[in-house]
Amino acid sequence: SQELEQSPQSLIVQEGKNLTINCTSSKTLYGLYWYKQKYGEGLIFLMMLQKGGEEKSHEKITAKLDEKKQQSSLHITASQPSHAGIYLCGAIHAGGTSYGKLTFGQGTILTVHP
Amino acid sequence: EPEVTQTPSHQVTQMGQEVILRCVPISNHLYFYWYRQILGQKVEFLVSFYNNEISEKSEIFDDQFSVERPDGSNFTLKIRSTKLEDSAMYFCASRFEAGGQTIQYFGAGTRLSVL
Repeated sequence: SQELEQSPQSLIVQEGKNLTINCTSSKTLYGLYWYKQKYGEGLIFLMMLQKGGEEKSHEKITAKLDEKKQQSSLHITASQPSHAGIYLCGAIHAGGTSYGKLTFGQGTILTVHP
Repeated sequence: EPEVTQTPSHQVTQMGQEVILRCVPISNHLYFYWYRQILGQKVEFLVSFYNNEISEKSEIFDDQFSVERPDGSNFTLKIRSTKLEDSAMYFCASRFEAGGQTIQYFGAGTRLSVL
């Protein structure tokens, strides 16, 4: 089974709509990271969550961590075309080394229609 | 704002040739990483590097791969004899630590095409 599962795999929304992307880990999380990637480009760091119940926001993007479910959600409010891209969750799993390798989900492709 | 820089942005090579991918991590970061992403697949960890030595590596990182920090600023990934399946986007990352939080910052990547 996959260590990190993202859903949905792709999402098409109309500009102005809200949306949520989920990331579920099959292993205990030490840290959960959200990155954004434009097609063929690098990963841009969005947010990091470590503690259960933690919630962080940056502009119109909010991420939460549910420690019990080992799950994180990324919520975008009033989406804009600039939000389009691939959203990746990455995790450092508990019990690993201290060198912090990230394991990634398969990504969610977000398209925002004007 | 400091960033991780990677060169070249695109490298085309013949199968069996050696390639060196270069990265300049953010200064004062101490941990460095290489990841790769085959087209349409997940980003995969290759290797981490700390204190001038490999700290962890994946199964992908076999004897054909090596990393080096030849001076105080560059961090390189060498593939000795490239195979078709090495074609991928290679990302370098360096790690920031503060207040118990660690964040990896990624470069824009090098697209490696093996013909």
